[in-house]
Amino acid sequence: GAGVSQSPSNKVTEKGKDVELRCDPISGHTALYWYRQSLGQGLEFLIYFQGNSAPDKSGLPSDRFSAERTGGSVSTLTIQRTQQEDSAVYLCASSATSGGASDTQYFGPGTRLTVL
Amino acid sequence: RKEVEQDPGPFNVPEGATVAFNCTYSNSASQSFFWYRQDCRKEPKLLMSVYSSGNEDGRFTAQLNRASQYISLLIRDSKLSDSATYLCVVSGAGGTSYGKLTFGQGTILTVHP
Repeated sequence: GAGVSQSPSNKVTEKGKDVELRCDPISGHTALYWYRQSLGQGLEFLIYFQGNSAPDKSGLPSDRFSAERTGGSVSTLTIQRTQQEDSAVYLCASSATSGGASDTQYFGPGTRLTVL
Repeated sequence: RKEVEQDPGPFNVPEGATVAFNCTYSNSASQSFFWYRQDCRKEPKLLMSVYSSGNEDGRFTAQLNRASQYISLLIRDSKLSDSATYLCVVSGAGGTSYGKLTFGQGTILTVHP
């Protein structure tokens, strides 16, 4: 079946612009996570959704970052007034159950964001 | 101090070699442990979960020592296709998202002919 999909695959933007990144999880998966991977920082957790709710936003680096999920499916990560340090690969993952510690997370291919 | 620490390598080994990766984690409340594999410019994929009793999947053996907060991965009879970055991952340290994954920096493995 279809895996996690993300769009766009690449995004180049100018400093100060807003960007939206989209994640389509595996159908029926209730838990959805956003991570980002940047040089020197490795993979970092950003936000977790259970259904449409986000009980854990602790990884969002600043108030320029926000995310929403609608219909328990698609999620959008929005970065306002982008900065060069936002350049990274943004990865989305989903899992089938309730966001438990042992759940297998399936990752999408990521969106490579470059802020000029 | 990072929550999950790994030797970044790189490890360069010939085909057929045995190679071991180590990892330590700082949060004793962590509940679940994994090794993920990430190929260049690709997303991470689960290689195997790690259990206290140790577990094996073909040429791969993973071990967990909760007392020492130490995780290992052993790869026997290395293949060229094993070349990748290996990520040590923990989860379940509590809070509002037990499923949140915390990643090590990754260990780069290159297997050469």
